[in-house]
Amino acid sequence: AQSVTQPDIHITVSEGASLELRCNYSYGATPYLFWYVQSPGQGLQLLLKYFSGDTLVQGIKGFEAEFKRSQSSFNLRKPSVHWSDAAEYFCAVGAGGFQKLVFGTGTRLLVSP
Amino acid sequence: GAVVSQHPSRVICKSGTSVKIECRSLDFQATTMFWYRQFPKQSLMLMATSNEGSKATYEQGVEKDKFLINHASLTLSTLTVTSAHPEDSSFYICSASGGRGGNTEAFFGQGTRLTVV
Repeated sequence: AQSVTQPDIHITVSEGASLELRCNYSYGATPYLFWYVQSPGQGLQLLLKYFSGDTLVQGIKGFEAEFKRSQSSFNLRKPSVHWSDAAEYFCAVGAGGFQKLVFGTGTRLLVSP
Repeated sequence: GAVVSQHPSRVICKSGTSVKIECRSLDFQATTMFWYRQFPKQSLMLMATSNEGSKATYEQGVEKDKFLINHASLTLSTLTVTSAHPEDSSFYICSASGGRGGNTEAFFGQGTRLTVV
């Protein structure tokens, strides 16, 4: 069965600094991988996804993620964090695209002035 | 992206009562809807998948008689927690997809925090 690990529960980054959120997955076949963001009181918003092809995926809001099969990782990055990026971030793996997603426990991003 | 509205956002109910949570797709027809549950500091766990016109498919360990799912129309799915108990207190979130294929994006509602007292 597939699983997702987000080792960092909280991360604090200074505004303007770079960000990397870690995600490791376990899945036997080629995974479908996702990053979602959730702001307080709001639903999950898709930041980016990887289905196949180029392993460096560009998403919305300036985020990108790199799929590394050898490390079973799909880390999320942003070169310069804005205060509005403070939120909860979830990594997920899908056995069949968007169907039946398995989520990590989330990483809460705090942005300091 | 498409809009999925979930109602209520918060609900408190007494132990033994039932509570209904609605998930609506506002600007598209949702062929498939998903219900997730999230315990504090844990992952979102898929509870069930419902396709319009057929019965919901429940994940292993989810009591179908406890969590009744009705995909009443192409824009509405409901989750009823029957005879709720404090251990049912959780964050419930739905997502809706306009297709049955895996590549069709599923959009999430804002979630419902259920507290059973």
